[in-house]
Amino acid sequence: QQQVKQSPQSLIVQKGGIPIINCAYENTAFDYFPWYQQFPGKGPALLIAIRPDVSEKKEGRFTISFNKSAKQFSLHIMDSQPGDSATYFCAAGQAYARRKDFNKFYFGSGTKLNVKP
Amino acid sequence: GAVVSQHPSRVICKSGTSVKIECRSLDFQATTMFWYRQFPKQSLMLMATSNEGSKATYEQGVEKDKFLINHASLTLSTLTVTSAHPEDSSFYICSAKRPPQYFGPGTRLLVL
Repeated sequence: QQQVKQSPQSLIVQKGGIPIINCAYENTAFDYFPWYQQFPGKGPALLIAIRPDVSEKKEGRFTISFNKSAKQFSLHIMDSQPGDSATYFCAAGQAYARRKDFNKFYFGSGTKLNVKP
Repeated sequence: GAVVSQHPSRVICKSGTSVKIECRSLDFQATTMFWYRQFPKQSLMLMATSNEGSKATYEQGVEKDKFLINHASLTLSTLTVTSAHPEDSSFYICSAKRPPQYFGPGTRLLVL
């Protein structure tokens, strides 16, 4: 069973547009939801993360919206730039799992974003 | 943010040899580290969870005798690909959990 579902698979926007990437999770025990940005040939870099006790978090041009009842969260990139072109991954998991086998995070399948100049 | 390093960044080896990849957390102690494999244009595939002082936990379908993991200290985990074959060629990425997970820069392995 896929724990985290991410959509769309790819996205093309014009410079200045607001791409939105959506994720849905299954496990209500998850309490930490990070987003990662990955450029080709590089490891994923943490962008922003949210806890389920808030519905929105902003860091610079990146905003996470969180809907606990729907078990969904999304990433919005304001005023997108060509330099934002990358693959974005959402993830979900337990920040501090009591059991070691609950320690891992589950990742979405990724969204390849292309911001055209 | 937290820094995780990997070494080497790229390695080319002959089929049948073993390759060791190191993952270090540079500014925090990590009792848990993770090893991922990533194929081109695909998501991260978790291979195993490395716990300091205990045996690694492997995901279903990952051969533990093929991919040896050692987490000898709170800042170092190693992945050894034993008797590497061309199908083992991939991008291997480690991460350390603070939380959240911080990823290393990845190691590109090419087996000839």
